[in-house]
Amino acid sequence: DQQVKQNSPSLSVQEGRISILNCDYTNSMFDYFLWYKKYPAEGPTFLISISSIKDKNEDGRFTVFLNKSAKHLSLHIVPSQPGDSAVYFCAASEGQNFVFGPGTRLSVLP
Amino acid sequence: NAGVTQTPKFRILKIGQSMTLQCTQDMNHNYMYWYRQDPGMGLKLIYYSVGAGITDKGEVPNGYNVSRSTTEDFPLRLELAAPSQTSVYFCASSYIVSGNTIYFGEGSWLTVV
Repeated sequence: DQQVKQNSPSLSVQEGRISILNCDYTNSMFDYFLWYKKYPAEGPTFLISISSIKDKNEDGRFTVFLNKSAKHLSLHIVPSQPGDSAVYFCAASEGQNFVFGPGTRLSVLP
Repeated sequence: NAGVTQTPKFRILKIGQSMTLQCTQDMNHNYMYWYRQDPGMGLKLIYYSVGAGITDKGEVPNGYNVSRSTTEDFPLRLELAAPSQTSVYFCASSYIVSGNTIYFGEGSWLTVV
C-alpha cells in the first residue's frame, strides 16, 4: 500500500525544455512535501519543499505545485539542463514521519 | 560541516556474517533514521530514533538492530546476514521542528553472498 506514488519510472526531456515530474499521495494528514534529487552512488539531496498551506513554491529553475484536493504535487524544471539528469524522489511528511515515493529517473538529452 | 557521515561505503558479506553500519551527524539533530533502497523501489524505513536512548521500528525492521547512545551516532547492526539484505542503506537525520528537511548520508552499498 504505497502512500506516495510516482507513476512514471522514467522521463526523457530535451535540453532547454520543461521537465514535469508528478507525485500522488493518499494520506490527507501529510502536511509537508519535499523533492529530492539523487545521482548514482550518492545519497539523496534536498531540492525544494512546500508546506500544505501553500500551492506553489519556487526556487530558481525549480517550482513545486501542490493540489491538496487532488492529493497531487508536481515538480517543474525550466529550462532543463543535462546536469539535471538524476532520479527524483517525492516525499511527504506528517511531523517527523517521512514517506518516499519510488522515484522517477529524468534524462535530459543534449 | 560534514552533515551525515556513513561508513563503510561498500561491503561484501557472506551469508550468516554480522556487521555494523556506522552513522554520525554533526548537526545536533534529534531525529535519526535508517532507510534501505532496493532497485526500482522507494526508501523503506528500517529504524528511527527520536533522541539518545530512544529507538523504534520502521516499516522493515526484521534482521536489524540499532542503538542510540549519543545524539550524534546511530549505528545499524545486521545479525546473520541474508541475501535479502543486499541493498543500499542510507542514514538520515532531521530536526524536531515540523516542516523540516531530512538530510541523508551518501549511502552504504551492501552485498550478501
